[in-house]
Amino acid sequence: DAKTTQPNSMESNEEEPVHLPCNHSTISGTDYIHWYRQLPSQGPEYVIHGLTSNVNNRMASLAIAEDRKSSTLILHRATLRDAAVYYCILRDLILGAQKLVFGQGTRLTINP
Amino acid sequence: GAGVSQTPSNKVTEKGKYVELRCDPISGHTALYWYRQSLGQGPEFLIYFQGTGAADDSGLPNDRFFAVRPEGSVSTLKIQRTERGDSAVYLCASSHGGASTQYFGPGTRLLVL
Repeated sequence: DAKTTQPNSMESNEEEPVHLPCNHSTISGTDYIHWYRQLPSQGPEYVIHGLTSNVNNRMASLAIAEDRKSSTLILHRATLRDAAVYYCILRDLILGAQKLVFGQGTRLTINP
Repeated sequence: GAGVSQTPSNKVTEKGKYVELRCDPISGHTALYWYRQSLGQGPEFLIYFQGTGAADDSGLPNDRFFAVRPEGSVSTLKIQRTERGDSAVYLCASSHGGASTQYFGPGTRLLVL
């Protein structure tokens, strides 16, 4: 499974944008980039995913580098409820990689 | 609608005992996954079911761990002769198919004394 590298922790202020980076220099052409987050005492929840183009949904935006070796999850206006561990995960859906391979993730702290 | 549910939410047992953890997936989801999460770590894959059959059990740590899904819905993770190192949060997830978004339950916190 291709690996991702994320900072262990980040801190931001409420109502400010947050940019969470992820490096995946060994990504293959069929790997999708997925982001999940885990709020305290809960199971992980899906945030967003993409392949090559930038993606937007109601929760966040995903910016993917042109060479696909890195990506950034963008929370446009952080709230206290966005405090969580954010995981960047590669999934080769073409070859049928059903399981999610989690790393350590980035622990995001939001200051009021 | 109802999400993935797991019971019990907490389980305390003694070393050497047998435990069963239950997962009720989202109705209609054919794929079901079990993960284990130790303190401060990301979840670690254990086993994946497509329907009633285990399509990938490569994450089960040893033969003390076993999981079933006899009717393609509810699944039970069974741990024999529990050890203190089995203490963790056991997470269940389900999805429409193997490549779809996975929806996680709240987990079962297992403590082996």
